[in-house]
Amino acid sequence: DGGITQSPKYLFRKEGQNVTLSCEQNLNHDAMYWYRQDPGQGLRLIYYSQIVNDFQKGDIAEGYSVSREKKESFPLTVTSAQKNPTAFYLCASSMSLQETQYFGPGTRLLVL
Amino acid sequence: AQSVTQLGSHVSVSEGALVLLRCNYSSSVPPYLFWYVQYPNQGLQLLLKYTTGATLVKGINGFEAEFKKSETSFHLTKPSAHMSDAAEYFCAVSDRSNYQLIWGAGTKLIIKP
Repeated sequence: DGGITQSPKYLFRKEGQNVTLSCEQNLNHDAMYWYRQDPGQGLRLIYYSQIVNDFQKGDIAEGYSVSREKKESFPLTVTSAQKNPTAFYLCASSMSLQETQYFGPGTRLLVL
Repeated sequence: AQSVTQLGSHVSVSEGALVLLRCNYSSSVPPYLFWYVQYPNQGLQLLLKYTTGATLVKGINGFEAEFKKSETSFHLTKPSAHMSDAAEYFCAVSDRSNYQLIWGAGTKLIIKP
C-alpha cells in the first residue's frame, strides 16, 4: 500500500527540548515538503526538498531543521529556538516540484 | 506576491442543498489551481486540480470547480450536500515559475440535517 506515513501522531515537547518528527514515503517521489498548520490559517511552508541531499528553506524555516539522506525520508527537527511550536505539522511529497502534492496524516505537537 | 482568498471561514448548508465554496487568487498569469479537503485531525486529500485545458474540472466525491480567468476565481461546487461532506476545504495556487503552493485560509463546511 503506497503512501506517506508520519509519526508520532501526537508529540509533547518540554521547554528547551529538541524534537524530531518523522515522515516516510514509499511513492518513489523525489520532492518532499513540511508544512505547519495553525487554526484559522492556511498551510505555511517550512522546508522543502527537491531531491536527496538537497533542501531549501520555506517561508517560516526559523527554529526548524531538516535532513534528506534518503529518498524515502524527510525528518523535521523542531529546535528550542522555535518559541511557539504548538501546531499541526503536515508532510507532503510529489513526483517533482511541478507535480501534485500528496499529504501524510499529520503530527500534532504540543508544549508541556 | 501571490495571494489566495477564500470567502467565508465557515459555510453552512442543509443536507441536499447546493454547496458553493469561493476561491479567488491574485495572479495575472493563470496559475495551477487546487482544492484539497481535510477531515478533523487528518492530512489533506486532493479533491481536484486545474492545470490547462477544460476550465470545468471534475473531482472526487461529486465536487467540481470552474476556472474563470476574467474573474480570477476557482469556486468549488457540489449539487447536493451530504453529511459526509462536513470538513475543511482549502484552495491553493501554484505559481508556474517556482511551483510553490500558496494556500487560502480554509473554509469549514457545516452540513445541517
